[in-house]
Amino acid sequence: NAGVTQTPKFQVLKTGQSMTLQCAQDMNHEYMSWYRQDPGMGLRLIHYSVGAGITDQGEVPNGYNVSRSTTEDFPLRLLSAAPSQTSVYFCASSYDGAGGYTFGSGTRLTVV
Amino acid sequence: AQSVTQPDIHITVSEGASLELRCNYSYGATPYLFWYVQSPGQGLQLLLKYFSGDTLVQGIKGFEAEFKRSQSSFNLRKPSVHWSDAAEYFCAVGAPNNQGGKLIFGQGTELSVKP
Repeated sequence: NAGVTQTPKFQVLKTGQSMTLQCAQDMNHEYMSWYRQDPGMGLRLIHYSVGAGITDQGEVPNGYNVSRSTTEDFPLRLLSAAPSQTSVYFCASSYDGAGGYTFGSGTRLTVV
Repeated sequence: AQSVTQPDIHITVSEGASLELRCNYSYGATPYLFWYVQSPGQGLQLLLKYFSGDTLVQGIKGFEAEFKRSQSSFNLRKPSVHWSDAAEYFCAVGAPNNQGGKLIFGQGTELSVKP
């Protein structure tokens, strides 16, 4: 089925560990974004990309790294996990931004 | 700075009653405007969008929203709420003219439906 696929769905990390959250879409969308969702704060933009090889920072980029080597994939790397990064992470993609974004089902990350 | 405000954190309505969820935005120009719905433990689903034309837009599941430029608002409405509408609703704005490819979200409004 066409859509945005996020893996893993759940992850527990120890403080200081690193990991990569995977995001893939098969809709040939140019725009891709990563958000984190925390209670009472809505979704906050971490990083986004308007095409392969182009990325930029969102509202809360510290502690996260991204790259976009292909149109399909947009992985999010946690460099050194901290308890403040405990959150639900959503990846989203869009053809051009105007038509709305398709969201993945999320990754629930706990850092202990 | 760009921002989106949803003044109501939690709303409870009776099944069959009408619903209006408020959304106000701050932006330098008319942005793209969206409403998303999130059921517990799920991702976000697009309900409707506006970027030009008729200021009253229709979406899925019987929802509609009206863009009011003078009030910088994009309120979501439904004439008769069903129990299955209980969820969290997010208003979002996007940069017009493909500038940036990013969305700014409001804090969300949680909707409860009484039988």
